[in-house]
Amino acid sequence: SAVISQKPSRDICQRGTSLTIQCQVDSQVTMMFWYRQQPGQSLTLIATANQGSEATYESGFVIDKFPISRPNLTFSTLTVSNMSPEDSSIYLCSVGGGGSSYEQYFGPGTRLTVT
Amino acid sequence: GQNIDQPTEMTATEGAIVQINCTYQTSGFNGLFWYQQHAGEAPTFLSYNVLDGLEEKGRFSSFLSRSKGYSYLLLKELQMKDSASYLCAASFYNQGGKLIFGQGTELSVKP
Repeated sequence: SAVISQKPSRDICQRGTSLTIQCQVDSQVTMMFWYRQQPGQSLTLIATANQGSEATYESGFVIDKFPISRPNLTFSTLTVSNMSPEDSSIYLCSVGGGGSSYEQYFGPGTRLTVT
Repeated sequence: GQNIDQPTEMTATEGAIVQINCTYQTSGFNGLFWYQQHAGEAPTFLSYNVLDGLEEKGRFSSFLSRSKGYSYLLLKELQMKDSASYLCAASFYNQGGKLIFGQGTELSVKP
């Protein structure tokens, strides 16, 4: 199984600022995903982070608001730009098991509060 | 769309059996995942079904019927620590491995 770490684990930010969340995996993985989980809600996929190309965004999410980097096969960042209180959420990165493994693993999440 | 539907909440008694149902749209369906999420924690993988039938893993079992677009998670010998949110998620062909999640079922286990 993959071991995933995220930084920061939590943050309180002011409206209008930006926060970059890091996701580090202990092995090379092809697929990395970024999810958002708003309070009391389930997970919603923001985008798929592709190594060597632009991220693929889901409906309702745009690159200007959530720019993503994927410089190599073990690391990705998600930036939440020009934050508003509606961005208060838990942000989770997820990776596929790799090879023939079908499992998907989640990082511990970043709890963001925007005031 | 690819709606994933599951009950919002369920209550069961310690030591009992509970079944959490999940339905999904079958078009392009690949496989079905179940995750457990305790409050304030990340989801943890429980099971994955791609073939019809029942997969048993200790106290937890997961069932899939591809033709009916239906899955369930069965929890036996319930313990208080099983109180959590249970998330059903589906993967679809040509969707690059991403998961579409249901809204989650909040299970409360009572003594």
